[in-house]
Parts: sequence; structure tokens; C-alpha cells
Amino acid sequence: SYELTQAPSVSVSPGQTASITCSGDKLGQKYVSWYHQKPGQSPVLVIYQDTKRPSGIPERFSGSNSGNTATLTISGTQAMDEADYFCQAWDSSVVFGGGTKLTVL
Amino acid sequence: EVQLVESGGGLVQPGRSLRLSCEASGFTFDDYAMHWVRQAPGKGLEWVSGISWHSDRIDYADSVKGRFTISRDNAKNSLYLQMTSLRAEDTALYYCAKDAKLSGGFDMMTSFDYWGLGSLVTVSS
Repeated sequence: SYELTQAPSVSVSPGQTASITCSGDKLGQKYVSWYHQKPGQSPVLVIYQDTKRPSGIPERFSGSNSGNTATLTISGTQAMDEADYFCQAWDSSVVFGGGTKLTVL
Repeated sequence: EVQLVESGGGLVQPGRSLRLSCEASGFTFDDYAMHWVRQAPGKGLEWVSGISWHSDRIDYADSVKGRFTISRDNAKNSLYLQMTSLRAEDTALYYCAKDAKLSGGFDMMTSFDYWGLGSLVTVSS
């Protein structure tokens, strides 16, 4: 079965750029979505179809996808961005990555 | 405003059954595929099942295939998940999620733009 791999944790200082990666075989040939989830809350879609932002998602969130790696970039990271981030793709069915805990400190 | 409200969760013994419901509002329900996604305590997200707008396409994760049945009633704006032969490893918060793609199906472009608050299913003796 297809697997998406994410680092368990990433740390970033406030105001800096955070990069969260998701890797999978030929992932660049698939569409990737990203979600963030704060403790006790439901996931929120922040990027879909690799690079698109849903309405209401700040411009500091951006995405890219090439080769075997998709990347979610958060520019000017804020304390409120601290959350778990999950990537998602499609390979015969929906697949989620294991999630990355983003710490802003 | 889009709202997805799950219900039907609870504590159930291994081997027993449970039926989850999701009531949708704020959008044209039969224009979109719908999904169930679960999250075990302290764990990541796991897609469980999806159903297209007119129920012509249904799919399941291997972990639940043959035990769970997804269905929808477009007249009632409702999504369901019938769970049988429940196991301890099915313990999770079950989310109802709306497919973002306006076409009714689900495929490589699938993503989930709205989620409910979830319904907790605990399988334990």
C-alpha cells in the first residue's frame, strides 16, 4: 500500500519560515492536500491540489510538490500556527501522512 | 454556513455493531461526495470510506472492508456508517468530511474542505 512519510516534529521561531515535508513514491505525480489540526479541534484544509489555498486561509501558507516530496511552507510563522499538520494524497484511495507536530518557540 | 454533525458513537463491546450518522447543512448535499475519516486517540488521520453523490461509487479502507457499510440519504442530507464486528482497534473519533470537489465523485483530486466535530467510538469489553 502507498505510504506518505512525514517527520514527527518541526520547530520554528516566530516570524521565521517553517517547512513541513511529505514524501512518497512519485508523489509529484499526485495531488497533495494539507491540513492542520489544533488540540481538541477538527482538521482544517490549508492547501489542496498542491498549491491552492481555500478561502480564509492566510497567504503565509503555501505548497509545492515535485519528485517524491511535497512541501508545506509557512512564511512568517505565528504562534497560532502551532498544530499538527497532515498531508494527504490519492493512490487508489485516500492516504494520509502520519503527521508533523509544528512547535513555534 | 456548512455544518456537519455526527452522532451515534458510544461504548460498544467487541464483535457488536454501531451506526454513525452525519447530518449536513449549509450546502447542496447531493452535489458532493462524502467521507468518513477516523482518528485513534493520540494518533493520525485514517480515511475509512467514501461515497459519491448518487452512491454509484463506494470505497473502503482495507482495515474496514467487509465490516463497515457507508450509505447516504440525499433527501435527508445525511451520511451513515454502519459498523459491524467491531474490534478494539476501531476505537477512534470518527469524522464526517465533505469532499471539496464539485462533481459528486472522489478521485485523485479529492480533499476534505469541511469536517464535523466527530463522534467517539470506543470498543471495549
